[in-house]
Amino acid sequence: QQQVRQSPQSLTVWEGGTTVLTCSYEDSTFNYFPWYQQFPGEGPALLISILSVSDKKEDGRFTTFFNKREKKLSLHIIDSQPGDSATYFCAASASSGSWQLIFGSGTQLTVMP
Amino acid sequence: GGIITQTPKFLIGQEGQKLTLKCQQNFNHDTMYWYRQDSGKGLRLIYYSITENDLQKGDLSEGYDASREKKSSFSLTVTSAQKNEMAVFLCASSPNYEQYFGPGTRLTVL
Repeated sequence: QQQVRQSPQSLTVWEGGTTVLTCSYEDSTFNYFPWYQQFPGEGPALLISILSVSDKKEDGRFTTFFNKREKKLSLHIIDSQPGDSATYFCAASASSGSWQLIFGSGTQLTVMP
Repeated sequence: GGIITQTPKFLIGQEGQKLTLKCQQNFNHDTMYWYRQDSGKGLRLIYYSITENDLQKGDLSEGYDASREKKSSFSLTVTSAQKNEMAVFLCASSPNYEQYFGPGTRLTVL
């Protein structure tokens, strides 16, 4: 099963709040998990990524967590800003699959000032 | 740094028409990809190429052809555009497992 499930489909948070996006997968061979941020009219931009050998990676206000046992990953955005309003995609790939990315369906985030 | 350029930015075609989308990258990456993005959905892989003149089919390859003429360029052809089709086609390149995307070509078929 190569599906990646992402939730919620949309999310609204207040400026300064914490945003949490989640994804789950079934293929245990997946070992690379990126998160992409996409603004309207633009291509997705790599935001943060994690390899399966780690359980946490932090980059400024963005942190991704990986739980290998539960096959889940999450993206946390602290001190959310209106400029963070975008669509966020999780994805997964495996070295055994030539690193082909399987994408979640995306979360549309709105941060209200 | 580098950049991925996709042309055209907007493409309007007629039903049954053959349409070609182009992608150029100056990262010197070996692997390039074409994805289709439908509104409210994730990206789905159409074709990818791990080197010049190599082509590999993705899950969505039916109805499309691709061509990797040289390392820096990757073209996608919609062999027969479907009426009411509307999607964004995204090109990406990769040196390893990280993929970097272009701005996309938005296709509308009348």
